Amino acid sequence: NFILTQPHSVSESPGKTVTISCTRSGGNIANNFVHWYQQRPGSSPTTVIYEDNQRPSGVPDRFSGSIDSSSNSASLTISGLRTEDEAEYYCHTYDYENQGEVFGGGTKLTVL
Amino acid sequence: VQLQESGPGLVKPSETLSLTCTVSGGSITGSSSYWSWVRQRPGKGLEWITYISDIGSTYFNPSLRSRVATSVDTSKNQISLRVTSVTAADTAIYYCARVFMRTNWFDLWGQGTLVTVSS
Repeated sequence: NFILTQPHSVSESPGKTVTISCTRSGGNIANNFVHWYQQRPGSSPTTVIYEDNQRPSGVPDRFSGSIDSSSNSASLTISGLRTEDEAEYYCHTYDYENQGEVFGGGTKLTVL
Repeated sequence: VQLQESGPGLVKPSETLSLTCTVSGGSITGSSSYWSWVRQRPGKGLEWITYISDIGSTYFNPSLRSRVATSVDTSKNQISLRVTSVTAADTAIYYCARVFMRTNWFDLWGQGTLVTVSS
């Protein structure tokens, strides 16, 4: 078993760049793809990054994902921040041992 | 393709929560997908509950396995969820979601339905 740890909150100014981390507590982060979801208040989650670094159609290239095996973590980077990026962001990966899905606790992004 | 959850918004403690997800604009069968339920307690994060393939293979969150069942009705293009012996801790928004089977990402979500457990 493992957990995915995200910072509770991050904030940055419009136009700047922010990076949200997702650290895996056990096992290798590279063993399974990491995906990222955006959830605005009152709405369902939507995918912003899948398979570590792929963007679904319609997601701007301001969003990017990466994996760092040295820190056993994944990162979501959002550049050129806009007020519309203000949301909760969740990382997610597959737990092969338990044959199930694991979400990070979520990070609230404030753009001010 | 769209997903729409439906079911009672209020369930009494110790009773069974039953929800249905109707898939429109596409078929449950013959897809490279699992059909999943995810919940979100008030003010909390996402919690995966279960998923099922179009041929009925099921997988469960170990913490909920003993109280959860899921099934598909291919004739109605629906997925169902049952959670037994509910308590206030089961109060949550319940989302139906489609999972891309090969790499396990949630590529489509329903709008969610709030279920409150209260007497």
